[in-house]
Amino acid sequence: GNSVTQMEGPVTLSEEAFLTINCTYTATGYPSLFWYVQYPGEGLQLLLKATKADDKGSNKGFEATYRKETTSFHLEKGSVQVSDSAVYFCALSVTGYALNFGKGTSLLVTP
Amino acid sequence: DSGVTQTPKHLITATGQRVTLRCSPRSGDLSVYWYQQSLDQGLQFLIQYYNGEERAKGNILERFSAQQFPDLHSELNLSSLELGDSALYFCASSPPLRGAYNEQFFGPGTRLTVL
Repeated sequence: GNSVTQMEGPVTLSEEAFLTINCTYTATGYPSLFWYVQYPGEGLQLLLKATKADDKGSNKGFEATYRKETTSFHLEKGSVQVSDSAVYFCALSVTGYALNFGKGTSLLVTP
Repeated sequence: DSGVTQTPKHLITATGQRVTLRCSPRSGDLSVYWYQQSLDQGLQFLIQYYNGEERAKGNILERFSAQQFPDLHSELNLSSLELGDSALYFCASSPPLRGAYNEQFFGPGTRLTVL
């Protein structure tokens, strides 16, 4: 079946630190890959996406590259801010419809 | 604000009861999806409707049902509620599919507490 595995949290970083959140996937077919972010008390927002191998998605300083050979889509940011504190979800969609989500990684950035 | 609205924001009820959650998609979106977010199961896809018809089913219990009305709003009905049904229920909508990808826009969720 289709599934996403992402690193367990919580992740605690100091402001301006480098962030990596690992995500690997298993899929029957050729998936599109996504990172969603959930701020406290809010719904999920699409952070970035990649629809084919070697695509790099980027938004708000976050980046992730679709690596077919390692079935990975790791999220990175060079310098995190306190406002980046949230829960980050890696997700895939094979059919173009339903999303399969990872368990989420909680990020806390301290001043 | 994603443009997807969900009501109510919070719902507290007792075991054995039945509740209805409502979702209004973004203007122009034909697809509505329902997801359940719980501490033990994470975020799980329940069901999708497209222009009034069921399109895909995920891990939806038989006690749960949904429908999409002609005005495209959707309702998720949960019956014979159990403690384990306590969760955040999200609705998402998306425009007609173009290519292999279509972005889903999520509502703020309904928090259901079963006592």
